Amino acid sequence: AQKITQTQPGMFVQEKEAVTLDCTYDTSDQSYGLFWYKQPSSGEMIFLIYQGSYDEQNATEGRYSLNFQKARKSANLVISASQLGDSAMYFCAMRDSGGYQKVTFGTGTKLQVIP
Amino acid sequence: SQTIHQWPATLVQPVGSPLSLECTVEGTSNPNLYWYRQAAGRGLQLLFYSVGIGQISSEVPQNLSASRPQDRQFILSSKKLLLSDSGFYLCAWLGLNTGELFFGEGSRLTVL
Repeated sequence: AQKITQTQPGMFVQEKEAVTLDCTYDTSDQSYGLFWYKQPSSGEMIFLIYQGSYDEQNATEGRYSLNFQKARKSANLVISASQLGDSAMYFCAMRDSGGYQKVTFGTGTKLQVIP
Repeated sequence: SQTIHQWPATLVQPVGSPLSLECTVEGTSNPNLYWYRQAAGRGLQLLFYSVGIGQISSEVPQNLSASRPQDRQFILSSKKLLLSDSGFYLCAWLGLNTGELFFGEGSRLTVL
């Protein structure tokens, strides 16, 4: 069974600094996908970045990058130049390769950006 | 373009009453559909997922059920709500080309 682990319940970062949010996963599949989502206090789920298991390059989207280390089964999110608007919950998720494309989320990390 | 809608947005129900949350997707066919529940301050718990009409996989059977009567319609139901069913319910569909999971606006359920 697949499992996603986010070990940091809460993180603080100074504005304009970079921050890394940790995510490890466990799966026996060879093909899978990894996502990161942001959830502000409004509750909406905002897609940030996606990495396929066969992608050789780490995914990047603006200030977001995914540090994908396949052998270690980790998919950490790096946010560069933090902004006050980055304060939110961040969720890591994994999609398996089975016919039903099951998508499982981690427990989340609450990020607070300090001015 | 593809859109996803779910309703109602807010619901307050007494314990023991039935529940029906509805989700529809537009602009795509045969989507993979998902129901998640989020308790206050917690992560997203996968409840049900579906790859087609009548094909439902359950992660948390308990007193909830899901149905997919049409290709782009996904319904979450309960015959008798429990206090523990309170939470924020999110419907989503998977964009296989982009790898992105698209979420609806969410339905906030309070069981009293």
